[in-house]
Amino acid sequence: KAGVTQTPRYLIKTRGQQVTLSCSPISGHRSVSWYQQTPGQGLQFLFEYFSETQRNKGNFPGRFSGRQFSNSRSEMNVSTLELGDSALYLCASSSGTGLDNYGYTFGSGTRLTVV
Amino acid sequence: GQQLNQSPQSMFIQEGEDVSMNCTSSSIFNTWLWYKQDPGEGPVLLIALYKAGELTSNGRLTAQFGITRKDSFLNISASIPSDVGIYFCAGLYAGNMLTFGGGTRLMVKP
Repeated sequence: KAGVTQTPRYLIKTRGQQVTLSCSPISGHRSVSWYQQTPGQGLQFLFEYFSETQRNKGNFPGRFSGRQFSNSRSEMNVSTLELGDSALYLCASSSGTGLDNYGYTFGSGTRLTVV
Repeated sequence: GQQLNQSPQSMFIQEGEDVSMNCTSSSIFNTWLWYKQDPGEGPVLLIALYKAGELTSNGRLTAQFGITRKDSFLNISASIPSDVGIYFCAGLYAGNMLTFGGGTRLMVKP
């Protein structure tokens, strides 16, 4: 089966702009989680969507938001970009229904650079 | 929030050596996962552990879920060059939020 697809792979934005990243989960998976990875903070949980509803949220400012569509595809948006938002943004897909974390599959990520 | 302390932060390996790394936490977890990440890619799941005391193998990799539920260990036997990369532990307590360790970078001895 196809893996988790994230687009775009690379993105360069200017401070103050906003950006939207996309994630298509594995077919049949209803949970999509987003993580931010930076050299300083490591991998940090942003939020999780399950069946179009945000189910869990990490400790990030309101500039970070997301949504999930009926086909389980998810987008995350970052508004008013700051230099510190430069990171690899990873999306993870799972069934979201229980102890099947072997199904917790990551995409290749979107590398966002804010200049 | 929950924190995972992963050690060592980095290590050099020589082909054929065994490698060990571990993660400890001040909080308990119900699931431990071990991932490997190559440059420019997302983490790939290596082993998942679901019960305290569980010992699970995946080829040359063996991981254990600590009895206290606050730690986990990963061993790589007879390392080969393609084992180079960054290894992450991750814990899951509730919901679908993973807490990650800081990673162990495996490098090849010159």
